Amino acid sequence: KQEVTQIPAALSVPEGENLVLNCSFTDSAIYNLQWFRQDPGKGLTSLLLIQSSQREQTSGRLNASLDKSSGRSTLYIAASQPGDSATYLCAVRQVETSGSRLTFGEGTQLTVNP
Amino acid sequence: EAGVAQSPRYKIIEKRQSVAFWCNPISGHATLYWYQQILGQGPKLLIQFQNNGVVDDSQLPKDRFSAERLKGVDSTLKIQPAKLEDSAVYLCASSLVGYEQFFGPGTRLTVL
Repeated sequence: KQEVTQIPAALSVPEGENLVLNCSFTDSAIYNLQWFRQDPGKGLTSLLLIQSSQREQTSGRLNASLDKSSGRSTLYIAASQPGDSATYLCAVRQVETSGSRLTFGEGTQLTVNP
Repeated sequence: EAGVAQSPRYKIIEKRQSVAFWCNPISGHATLYWYQQILGQGPKLLIQFQNNGVVDDSQLPKDRFSAERLKGVDSTLKIQPAKLEDSAVYLCASSLVGYEQFFGPGTRLTVL
């Protein structure tokens, strides 16, 4: 059974700091890995999707890496801003005979202080 | 392009009552998912449809939860009877077959 762990559970940083969020998963047989952002009371917004054959993806100030063999991914946020405050979720997609479910971590709650 | 729509956004009921949630996926998306997200946890898949057929319902508590997707478009998720531990946000997502999932805003359920 796939298990996804995110560290740290919560993080508070001053504005402008670069930061790294960590995600680990127990079963390396994945199709892809996604990072999501969730604002309070809202749904999930997809930030980056990395296919299993890729090593990293970049979008603006965000960079996500994937090391499938070791079961790890990191989300790097450069020059953080108060608007980046949210919960960040990591999810892996596996293909099983019964479907293609996403398994989520419990998230990292990020606060960027002005 | 319109996103995934869900209603209601909020619902408060007493335990043992029934409740239903509605989801309208992105047009053309054959795959539809319902997730349950308990406060402080990541979402957990309850059921996955492809068109109007169930692909994965292994984590759906079938004694009280049911879902249907008539005509392969809209979907409803029902809880009957509700328990205190069902308090959560219920998220609907849709995708093209095998592609990225797009999520709706969710329905926040409080069971008193």
